[in-house]
Amino acid sequence: SQQGEEDPQALSIQEGENATMNCSYKTSINNLQWYRQNSGRGLVHLILIRSNEREKHSGRLRVTLDTSKKSSSLLITASRAADTASYFCATASWQKVTFGIGTKLQVIP
Amino acid sequence: EAQVTQNPRYLITVTGKKLTVTCSQNMNHEYMSWYRQDPGLGLRQIYYSMNVEVTDKGDVPEGYKVSRKEKRNFPLILESPSPNQTSLYFCASSLQREETQYFGPGTRLLVL
Repeated sequence: SQQGEEDPQALSIQEGENATMNCSYKTSINNLQWYRQNSGRGLVHLILIRSNEREKHSGRLRVTLDTSKKSSSLLITASRAADTASYFCATASWQKVTFGIGTKLQVIP
Repeated sequence: EAQVTQNPRYLITVTGKKLTVTCSQNMNHEYMSWYRQDPGLGLRQIYYSMNVEVTDKGDVPEGYKVSRKEKRNFPLILESPSPNQTSLYFCASSLQREETQYFGPGTRLLVL
């Protein structure tokens, strides 16, 4: 079964708005990773946040991790049409890396 | 340029005809993995390799084989493909299992 579960499964916003995606998981992890996938292409790594970190930034991306709630969020600020893609979280432990089903983001120009 | 390459990118075959999808990485990564991606199911791991000659089953290994004779290569073998193996396949590599993975461009397979 999938460890990480993204929410929502689909999101449509206007260009310039912020987009927030959430990921929940069930077991202990070493880190949580966010990836982006343009239609039918390979996944591209965005951010890795370790279990002892609470927040991380990269450009317009902000990731938070709450290990007590076993959840993470990815915030994309000032979205652009080029941000249209699917976003996946992956939870990593010593035993396993598991991907969620993903959130499909559409940014309307 | 650091990359993971896969070949072929597209493949149409018939049931039962053995095929191999190659995967190669030039980053000296120890960990390599194969995933399949199907609509509504996300990425599911088929097999992974922690290092040369060390491979293990993922979540959906049935009908697949792998080998890791060299660090850079991790081919996926379908001995007798069936239509339910029609999917988009990704190879990925990382320094270690729990670290950032680098993905290949994908191989789209259709089994008739």
